[in-house]
Amino acid sequence: DAKTTQPTSMDCAEGRAANLPCNHSTISGNEYVYWYRQIHSQGPQYIIHGLKNNETNEMASLIITEDRKSSTLILPHATLRDTAVYYCIVRGGGTSYGKLTFGQGTILTVHP
Amino acid sequence: DVKVTQSSRYLVKRTGEKVFLECVQDMDHENMFWYRQDPGLGLRLIYFSYDVKMKEKGDIPEGYSVSREKKERFSLILESASTNQTSMYLCASSLMAGGYHEQFFGPGTRLTVL
Repeated sequence: DAKTTQPTSMDCAEGRAANLPCNHSTISGNEYVYWYRQIHSQGPQYIIHGLKNNETNEMASLIITEDRKSSTLILPHATLRDTAVYYCIVRGGGTSYGKLTFGQGTILTVHP
Repeated sequence: DVKVTQSSRYLVKRTGEKVFLECVQDMDHENMFWYRQDPGLGLRLIYFSYDVKMKEKGDIPEGYSVSREKKERFSLILESASTNQTSMYLCASSLMAGGYHEQFFGPGTRLTVL
């Protein structure tokens, strides 16, 4: 699975959009981009995933560049409860057992 | 909503004890996973199971075993606990192994081995 690079930490004001970048320059054609987050003292929570088209759900939007070498997770109106570690993961759909490889992630702090 | 529950949130054991961590999911998922999470190392896969009585080693299986006698339940066993197994243990489940199915995680068990 391709390696990902994320900033260590980011800040965002409550009510503003939080844009979390992720680089995955070695991504291959059949690999999806997944985003999970982990709020303190809880298990990781799935947010969204995509292959090459932009995706949106009730939690967030995922923008993937045309060359697929990077992506951005957008939380449109961040709240204090969005403070968490956000993980960008690249995984092939054909991977044998669906292992997720979590890196260090981005610590997002939403402040009032 | 999928619910993954783990038997304990916090556990303290002594070196050499046999430790059982249990995980239950209520959505009839095929696959279940055990990870451990340590500062600076991220999540690492210990074992997973893609069916009842089936198991596969993950990246760090040494010192652990697992049991899956029923579809909804996946147990992690530390045969003889050691201090280097002090960690946060996370269980997850997903509908199928292949494809693009997200994993649903339990709240975690923070194990301390003294």
